[in-house]
Formats: sequence, C-alpha cells, structure tokens
Amino acid sequence: GENVEQHPSTLSVQEGDSAVIKCTYSDSASNYFPWYKQELGKRPQLIIDIRSNVGEKKDQRIAVTLNKTAKHFSLHITETQPEDSAVYFCAVTQGAQKLVFGQGTRLTINP
Amino acid sequence: GAVVSQHPSWVICKSGTSVKIECRSLDFQATTMFWYRQFPKQSLMLMATSNEGSKATYEQGVEKDKFLINHASLTLSTLTVTSAHPEDSSFYICSAVRGESGANVLTFGAGSRLTVL
Repeated sequence: GENVEQHPSTLSVQEGDSAVIKCTYSDSASNYFPWYKQELGKRPQLIIDIRSNVGEKKDQRIAVTLNKTAKHFSLHITETQPEDSAVYFCAVTQGAQKLVFGQGTRLTINP
Repeated sequence: GAVVSQHPSWVICKSGTSVKIECRSLDFQATTMFWYRQFPKQSLMLMATSNEGSKATYEQGVEKDKFLINHASLTLSTLTVTSAHPEDSSFYICSAVRGESGANVLTFGAGSRLTVL
C-alpha cells in the first residue's frame, strides 16, 4: 500500500521567517495531495491542496509544490505568525478518495 | 459549505461496555465516509471505509467484529466500539465525501474522544 513519509517531525521558527515541511510518497498513481492543520483536540482543517496536473499552488502565505517524478511535495508557509503554531499533516490519496496521512509536523512559531 | 457533525464529542465508559459514535453529513449526501483513529501525538490512522448500503471495508489490523460500522443512510454512519478496553481509548474522527465523482475533498467531523476506564 501507499507509504507517506513526512519531515521534520518538529519545526521551530522565528516569527516572520518561513517554514517548509516535506512529504514523500510511494504510489506513483496517487493524484491528490492535501495539507491539513490540526490544533490540539480539534479536527484537521484543510489549508491547501494540489492535484497531480499542477506543479505549484499558492494561497496568500501558504504554498504547495509537487514533484511527481520524485514523488514528493512540500508545504511552504511564509511570514509565519504565532497562530500558525499547530500540527500539520500531509496526505495522499490511495485510490477512491481514501487518504493516507503523513506522521505530522509540530510547528512552533517563536515570537 | 459542507458540514459533518460527530456525536458524542467525548465519552467515558467502563471496560467491557459498548460505545456508539455517530457521524452525520448535515448539508450533503455522503455515499462514502471514513473512520480514523488518532492516538495522542500521533497521526490519523484509517480504520475503515463506510459505504452507504453495503458492508464497510476495514484496514489491515482493524478488527471488524470489535469496530462495527453501519452506514444505513446517505447522511449517517455509526461506529460502535464493542467490549471496549482501556487500549481503545483514543480520538475517533470521521470524514465524509461529497457525492460528486472525482472529488477528493474530505470534510472531517469534530472528533470523539473515548476514554475507557
């Protein structure tokens, strides 16, 4: 089955700096790559997603890049703010809309 | 927007009892729902895929007789943890998919925190 690896597991950056989280996957047939933000005790919230026919997508301070050949995709957060502190999960489809999640990255923004 | 309601948000039960968790799509029909389990500081692990009108598909290692799933209508899926034990204590989250084909956007419920004493 699909194997998703997410790095780093923890990330601490100064407010205003950029944060980058990377995920690799194994199934070349995967075609949908969302990123979720989860605050403690709450549901995951979709923050951005990308499909396999696109290489990059941006939404204000958040961007996602996809390299299908290398089978990896990354989340980029610029001008980080304290409210960006949370756990971030990448996910990959494994057919029929079923998502496989990465291990998660705990992002801490230091004021 | 799509709203998924999950109930109860938290439940405490004694070891050996059964607990039912409901997942409802409030403003759309969901032919498929997914049940995830999340232990503290870990990722979401898919337990099973719930299909309206048919049997659920369980992931490897998930006991179908222990985690009963019923998806009797296009807006409701239930997960029953039978004969719960302390190791079943976890955060259970459902997600629902809109009915249109090719749409991979999931909407998550708020989750149900189960504590088994």
